[in-house]
Formats: sequence, structure tokens, C-alpha cells
Amino acid sequence: GDSVTQMEGPVTLSEEAFLTINCTYTATGYPSLFWYVQYPGEGLQLLLKATKADDKGSNKGFEATYRKETTSFHLEKGSVQVSDSAVYFCALSDQVDSSYKLIFGSGTRLLVRP
Amino acid sequence: KAGVTQTPRYLIKTRGQQVTLSCSPISGHRSVSWYQQTPGQGLQFLFEYFSETQRNKGNFPGRFSGRQFSNSRSEMNVSTLELGDSALYLCASSLGPGQGARLGNYGYTFGSGTRLTVV
Repeated sequence: GDSVTQMEGPVTLSEEAFLTINCTYTATGYPSLFWYVQYPGEGLQLLLKATKADDKGSNKGFEATYRKETTSFHLEKGSVQVSDSAVYFCALSDQVDSSYKLIFGSGTRLLVRP
Repeated sequence: KAGVTQTPRYLIKTRGQQVTLSCSPISGHRSVSWYQQTPGQGLQFLFEYFSETQRNKGNFPGRFSGRQFSNSRSEMNVSTLELGDSALYLCASSLGPGQGARLGNYGYTFGSGTRLTVV
């Protein structure tokens, strides 16, 4: 079945450092890809998305490009802030008939130090 | 507009009891999905409801059930609780089919979750 693999955390960075969180996927079709972020004690917030190959999703300085040839959707940010500390989840949409669900990676915890 | 509202936020139950969790989607959203989040298993899909019908179900035992009402609000129920049911239960809403949104393109809007602890 479809699956998502994320790099293990935690990732610890200093403020203003460059961030990359790797995400690769396995899918039989052409899923949409998502990054969600979860702050402590909260639900998931959609960070960005891409719906087809070579699409670039971006939001709040974060970017990810849908790479079909490498089945990847790596999350990047040029300069992280302390407020970016959270858990990041990569996900793909798995569609069956007219219904769909999200398949999530295991999550990567990011800790940004001042 | 108001987000996805889940109640209660926290719940403590004992083994063998049953529990009902509630989710009110964003106004205009007709599809509601439920996910279970645990440290060991991560985020797992429970089920999806649209127009009061369950359209998709994850790999969970029959103790987990749900329903959706005509106003799109949804409830999930877990009977005969086990310690392993302790988790954060997340509800997510989306537009659903028939409203011009290609399925899977728009993602979900999640609620803050209900933290269930079984003792």
C-alpha cells in the first residue's frame, strides 16, 4: 500500500539556520502531497501542499517541491525561528472511489534554539 | 469563520467503559474524518463520513464506530475501552465531493483533538 517515510528526529537547529526535513513516498497513483505542522497541545495545521509533479508548495517561508522522479517532497526553510519549533508531518492523499484519506509519515520534531 | 470544534478536550475513562467524542466541522464542510494519534502508531485513519454515510474505514476493530448528522456534525464512539485506546483523537473536515473541490487537493482542516486517557 501507499506509505510515507520521514527522516527521524529530533532536528535541533540554531535560529536563522537552514532547515531540510526529508520526506519520500510510495504510491501507486498520483497523490497530492502535504506538510502539516503540530504545535504542542494542538491539532494539525496544513502548512503547504502540492497536487502534481513539479508543483512547489510554499507558506510562511517554508517550501517543498513535488518530485515524481525521486518520489520526494522535502520541506525546506532558509532561516528558521524559535517559533518554528514543532512536529512536522509529511502526508499523501490516498483516494478510493470518491473518498480519500491521508497517510502520514511518523513526524519529525524540530527544536530551534535562540 | 469558526474552525473545527472538538469536544471534550480531555477525557479520562476506565477500562471497559464506552466513550463518545464530538466534532463540529467548519460551516459548509460536509466531509468529516477521524484520526487516532498515538506515540507508537502515529496518525492512523479511522473513518470518513459524508452526507451521513460512512464512506471509508480504516483498520480498526468494530469497537470503534461513528456517525454523522444532517448538519454534518459527527460523533465517534469507542466501546469496551482498552488501555491501548489512550490517544489523541483528531477530527478533520473538508469540502467533500460535489462542491467543486477535486478530492485530495485541499487537505483537511483539523480540530485541536480530544485527549482520551484510559486507566
